[in-house]
Amino acid sequence: AQSVTQPDIHITVSEGASLELRCNYSYGATPYLFWYVQSPGQGLQLLLKYFSGDTLVQGIKGFEAEFKRSQSSFNLRKPSVHWSDAAEYFCAVAEGGYSTLTFGKGTMLLVSP
Amino acid sequence: GAGVSQSPSNKVTEKGKDVELRCDPISGHTALYWYRQSLGQGLEFLIYFQGNSAPDKSGLPSDRFSAERTGGSVSTLTIQRTQQEDSAVYLCASSLARSSAFFGQGTRLTVV
Repeated sequence: AQSVTQPDIHITVSEGASLELRCNYSYGATPYLFWYVQSPGQGLQLLLKYFSGDTLVQGIKGFEAEFKRSQSSFNLRKPSVHWSDAAEYFCAVAEGGYSTLTFGKGTMLLVSP
Repeated sequence: GAGVSQSPSNKVTEKGKDVELRCDPISGHTALYWYRQSLGQGLEFLIYFQGNSAPDKSGLPSDRFSAERTGGSVSTLTIQRTQQEDSAVYLCASSLARSSAFFGQGTRLTVV
C-alpha cells in the first residue's frame, strides 16, 4: 500500500527566508505526486503536481518541488516566504490520474516577522 | 459554479440522528471523491465515483456511511445514526481524466 510521510509537524520560518518542506512516499511504481495547501477553515488548494517528465515542477505562489526517485522524495521549496504562506501543507500520492489520494499528516508552517 | 461547492458549511447534529452532506462538483468533471479530515486521523479517503462505474467504497468506515451520485453530477454523503467519532470535516473533490483533484471548502460536522 502506498504511504506518505511528512516528518515535520510544525516548521517556523522567518519572513523572507527560504523554505523546504519534506515529503517521502512509499509506492512501487512511478507515483503521481501532489502538494496541497490548506488555510484555516478552508478546503485544499493544489499548489503543484508531478505526473511525469521534468522532475522539477513549478507551482502557484512561487512554490516548486523536485521529484527524486532515488530518495523517494518530493520536497516543496520556496526561495522567500511571505506571511500569507502561513498554512498547513499536505503532500499526497496517487497511483494515477484517476485514483484516490493518500495524504501525509501535514506540516503546519508558521511565519515569524 | 467555478469550483466544487459543498453544503452545508457547518452542521451540528445530535448523536443518533442521520445527516446528509451535499457536493456539487465542477461541471464536466467525471470523477468525484469524498474525504474525511479529523484531528486524530488526518485526511482519509472515503468513497470515489468515476463516471458510470461502480463506486469504490473501500474507505467507508462502517455501514452507517453511504453515498450516491445522481446523474453523474451531484453527490450526497449520508451518515446514519451519527456517533461522536463522526465529528470531522468532510471534503469533496472532483477531477477530469488524468488531472488533479479540486477540493471544496468542506462541511464541518459536529455530533453532540
